[in-house]
Amino acid sequence: KAGVTQTPRYLIKTRGQQVTLSCSPISGHRSVSWYQQTPGQGLQFLFEYFSETQRNKGNFPGRFSGRQFSNSRSEMNVSTLELGDSALYLCASSLTRGDRTDTQYFGPGTRLTVL
Amino acid sequence: GENVEQHPSTLSVQEGDSAVIKCTYSDSASNYFPWYKQELGKGPQLIIDIRSNVGEKKDQRIAVTLNKTAKHFSLHITETQPEDSAVYFCAEGAGNMLTFGGGTRLMVKP
Repeated sequence: KAGVTQTPRYLIKTRGQQVTLSCSPISGHRSVSWYQQTPGQGLQFLFEYFSETQRNKGNFPGRFSGRQFSNSRSEMNVSTLELGDSALYLCASSLTRGDRTDTQYFGPGTRLTVL
Repeated sequence: GENVEQHPSTLSVQEGDSAVIKCTYSDSASNYFPWYKQELGKGPQLIIDIRSNVGEKKDQRIAVTLNKTAKHFSLHITETQPEDSAVYFCAEGAGNMLTFGGGTRLMVKP
């Protein structure tokens, strides 16, 4: 079974621009979560989507948004980029059964650099 | 989750020795405790996980223990090998949202 895939793998943007990252979960998985990883703040939860609905949200500004499509693929968008948004953005997928915390499998990440 | 503290931040061992990494958490609602291994340029890879109704779980050279009363859990790696060198993260979860510890860089010297 193919793992979680993320595109693109690397991205360079300038301040003020916006960016869209894509994630394809493991086949059959219905939940997609996004995390930001930086040297200073570590791994931080951004949001989780299940059945095309945002189910959980972390403590990030509204510039960070996401969506999920009917095939469970997900995109996240960051608008008005700031230097501090430079990070590795990780996507994780899980089967999800109700409210139980399911095993999450991570993709390789998208490395975003904001200049 | 609220906060997860992980210690030590770096750990250097000789090949064949054991390595222990400890985490404490504060959220009483946490019911799921995974451990991830992250190698350079890759995403975190799940190595073992434990749920709150279990005190200990083992998978070959890797074991995890959980003490819900004290709110801490630990990762034990026995007979370490150079390929175990990586950054290890503990996490706690409730409602399919993970809160991660700060990570431990494990170096196994041949």
